[in-house]
Amino acid sequence: GAGVSQTPSNKVTEKGKYVELRCDPISGHTALYWYRQSLGQGPEFLIYFQGTGAADDSGLPNDRFFAVRPEGSVSTLKIQRTERGDSAVYLCASSLLGVNTGELFFGEGSRLTVL
Amino acid sequence: DQQVKQNSPSLSVQEGRISILNCDYTNSMFDYFLWYKKYPAEGPTFLISISSIKDKNEDGRFTVFLNKSAKHLSLHIVPSQPGDSAVYFCAASALRGGTSYGKLTFGQGTILTVHP
Repeated sequence: GAGVSQTPSNKVTEKGKYVELRCDPISGHTALYWYRQSLGQGPEFLIYFQGTGAADDSGLPNDRFFAVRPEGSVSTLKIQRTERGDSAVYLCASSLLGVNTGELFFGEGSRLTVL
Repeated sequence: DQQVKQNSPSLSVQEGRISILNCDYTNSMFDYFLWYKKYPAEGPTFLISISSIKDKNEDGRFTVFLNKSAKHLSLHIVPSQPGDSAVYFCAASALRGGTSYGKLTFGQGTILTVHP
């Protein structure tokens, strides 16, 4: 497809389990972002990739959260020892580096529910 | 500490009238502002933006106004249409190296309902 693709669209897991969320950005977009949106809130920045490297991971809440982008395209957000407070919609976005409109192209999100 | 605030959780407007959505920010480092629109079960989509060197930017039915001294911006939609019904998020960023970095701080969102 032409847009940002995220899988799974829904994930229900139990507290303490490990979860992986995948993002396939728009082809040719070198910048990739992960955001998290909790109920009733706006999206909250987690991490930014420029190519393969994490240029800014200041939004990751703790060391249970980790993200990779080994080939500069697909990215995986990994959450260890999930907690109920991790329940949220995890949004991935991509953009052309250097585009100064701030226009990010978001995927539909992965809704994570931790029971 | 909420650096970007949208104090109205919801707004209801009649079709054809003007919708005004408001946003306040506290961080003086913010110098680029954006509005995103979100339909249920979809990701946010970019609507319009404004740099801090301007006080107004217009795109069709959508106009964004920026008042730097008051740290306030607003989105005007005129005329409003039922298809405009969605959640609207205000977002802000601090430009780095002359380009928008993509690290956005979002407000909580305002649910706009446009009645036919």
